[in-house]
Amino acid sequence: AQSVAQPEDQVNVAEGNPLTVKCTYSVSGNPYLFWYVQYPNRGLQFLLKYITGDNLVKGSYGFEAEFNKSQTSFHLKKPSALVSDSALYFCAVRDPRDLSGGYQKVTFGTGTKLQVIP
Amino acid sequence: DVKVTQSSRYLVKRTGEKVFLECVQDMDHENMFWYRQDPGLGLRLIYFSYDVKMKEKGDIPEGYSVSREKKERFSLILESASTNQTSMYLCACRAPGEGNTIYFGEGSWLTVV
Repeated sequence: AQSVAQPEDQVNVAEGNPLTVKCTYSVSGNPYLFWYVQYPNRGLQFLLKYITGDNLVKGSYGFEAEFNKSQTSFHLKKPSALVSDSALYFCAVRDPRDLSGGYQKVTFGTGTKLQVIP
Repeated sequence: DVKVTQSSRYLVKRTGEKVFLECVQDMDHENMFWYRQDPGLGLRLIYFSYDVKMKEKGDIPEGYSVSREKKERFSLILESASTNQTSMYLCACRAPGEGNTIYFGEGSWLTVV
């Protein structure tokens, strides 16, 4: 069974500082990994994904994430945080070999609230 | 990018009412989903559909049903709303290929009183 964990409910960072939002996963094979952002009272917006290839993935709004197979992690990063980055961030995983349930299940983490302090 | 539209953003319904949440996507994708989002629980899958008139239960289908009469439209139905169904409901569809990225609508906030 696949699972994903976001160990921090909230992350606080000062504006201009680098930020990291953590995500670890568990799958039996090679994972597909995703990050989404949710602003207040909005749906989830796709940020970036890792399918294969380069371990460092670049996405929208200056975000990037690093796939680390040995640590089973896919942490979201940004070199310089903006106040407008304050939002809820979700990590998600899919095991492409897991077809149980017939719909290629995607498992979402419980979310991490990022607060960027001016 | 895929556009997923949820026509009702905020609804207040009474206990026992029948509730329809509508969702439309603009890219002719086969896979569509309904999730429920609650604080501390993340996203939980209610139902998904892999084609017209085809549906499968997700993780928490009790109290819900769905309808997919046309490929672009996927409706969530609460036959008899209860207060524990007060939540944010998210519709989504999945693009083929490209790692099968899921795209979400803006969400429907449902309050059952």
